[in-house]
Amino acid sequence: GDSVTQMEGPVTLSEEAFLTINCTYTATGYPSLFWYVQYPGEGLQLLLKATKADDKGSNKGFEATYRKETTSFHLEKGSVQVSDSAVYFCALSDRFAGNQFYFGTGTSLTVIP
Amino acid sequence: DGGITQSPKYLFRKEGQNVTLSCEQNLNHDAMYWYRQDPGQGLRLIYYSQIVNDFQKGDIAEGYSVSREKKESFPLTVTSAQKNPTAFYLCASSSNREMRGYTFGSGTRLTVV
Repeated sequence: GDSVTQMEGPVTLSEEAFLTINCTYTATGYPSLFWYVQYPGEGLQLLLKATKADDKGSNKGFEATYRKETTSFHLEKGSVQVSDSAVYFCALSDRFAGNQFYFGTGTSLTVIP
Repeated sequence: DGGITQSPKYLFRKEGQNVTLSCEQNLNHDAMYWYRQDPGQGLRLIYYSQIVNDFQKGDIAEGYSVSREKKESFPLTVTSAQKNPTAFYLCASSSNREMRGYTFGSGTRLTVV
């Protein structure tokens, strides 16, 4: 079945450091891939998405490229800020699986000044 | 602005009580979902509904019940049969026609007292 495997945290970085959070997936069809962010005490917000192979999603300085050959969708940011401290979830949705979402377990990021 | 509203934000339940969490959306989304999130954990699917008057159990449906009498509303009842209900509950919705991802509410934190 479909699944998402996400890099375990927690991750602690200094401000302006480079961020990578790894995400790999297993899917039977042609999934769309997403990154969500959750700030403390809040719901999840869509950060970026990619709907087909080689697409790059980007938002707020974050980027992720849909790599079909490596079944990956790693999240990157060149220079993190304290305000980026949150939990990040990788997810996939597969039309052949009824559009249901499959979430990774989340990666907690703390950025220190 | 369209969105998804969960209420209340905080809820306290006594042992043996049933409580109902509200979820309303004005996005004209067909599908709605309930997830449970425990501290430091990922999301676990409780129930979902693809159309009005129809819903399916997710991975952890025991001790919960739902209804979907209107497209806009998907309330979740936490029954006394749920032995460990203290958690953060998230409602989400999505369109069956467009792959834009889930829209999440801001969550309800339920505590047993």
